[in-house]
Amino acid sequence: AQTVTQSQPEMSVQEAETVTLSCTYDTSENNYYLFWYKQPPSRQMILVIRQEAYKQQNATENRFSVNFQKAAKSFSLKISDSQLGDTAMYFCAFMTGFSGGYNKLIFGAGTRLAVHP
Amino acid sequence: DAGVTQSPTHLIKTRGQQVTLRCSPISGHKSVSWYQQVLGQGPQFIFQYYEKEERGRGNFPDRFSARQFPNYSSELNVNALLLGDSALYLCASSLGSGSTDTQYFGPGTRLTVL
Repeated sequence: AQTVTQSQPEMSVQEAETVTLSCTYDTSENNYYLFWYKQPPSRQMILVIRQEAYKQQNATENRFSVNFQKAAKSFSLKISDSQLGDTAMYFCAFMTGFSGGYNKLIFGAGTRLAVHP
Repeated sequence: DAGVTQSPTHLIKTRGQQVTLRCSPISGHKSVSWYQQVLGQGPQFIFQYYEKEERGRGNFPDRFSARQFPNYSSELNVNALLLGDSALYLCASSLGSGSTDTQYFGPGTRLTVL
């Protein structure tokens, strides 16, 4: 079974500091994609960053970067210079289903991040 | 550009009733996926439609059905509602159903079953 595990239910960080959210996944596939989405209290699920499994280079989007360790099946998210607007639920997700002609996301249970002034 | 839109925002139903949720994808996107997010959990995949055909289905009972229209909008129908169907229902759109097609989510419909 393909699973995504986020072992940190809650995290907190001071404004301007750096925080890392952990994610591990389990799959036997070679071709897959990994994502981090954030869900603020407004409920809108917003894409943060995407990583292709075949790329060795870690993805970066402004203050957000990932540490992708394919052999360890680990995909952590680092948020630098944390801002109050980063307060949200963060979901790690794994995309699969391509062999069946579709794509679906498998999500972890989420990490609730609170950024304090 | 308009993002993914969903209606209604909130809905309250009683057990045994039927409900229809609606989704309009981003302009140019041909694929719509539906997810159920129970409080405190990550979203669970229900369906994916591409070019008006069902391409994938998650582990949900036959009470859940969906369709996609020629303009690529979609409806999710749930019959014989149970208390456990109370959840946030998220719609996601993507250009297609392939491996390079990132999914973008709408704001969701909050369904409460009493």
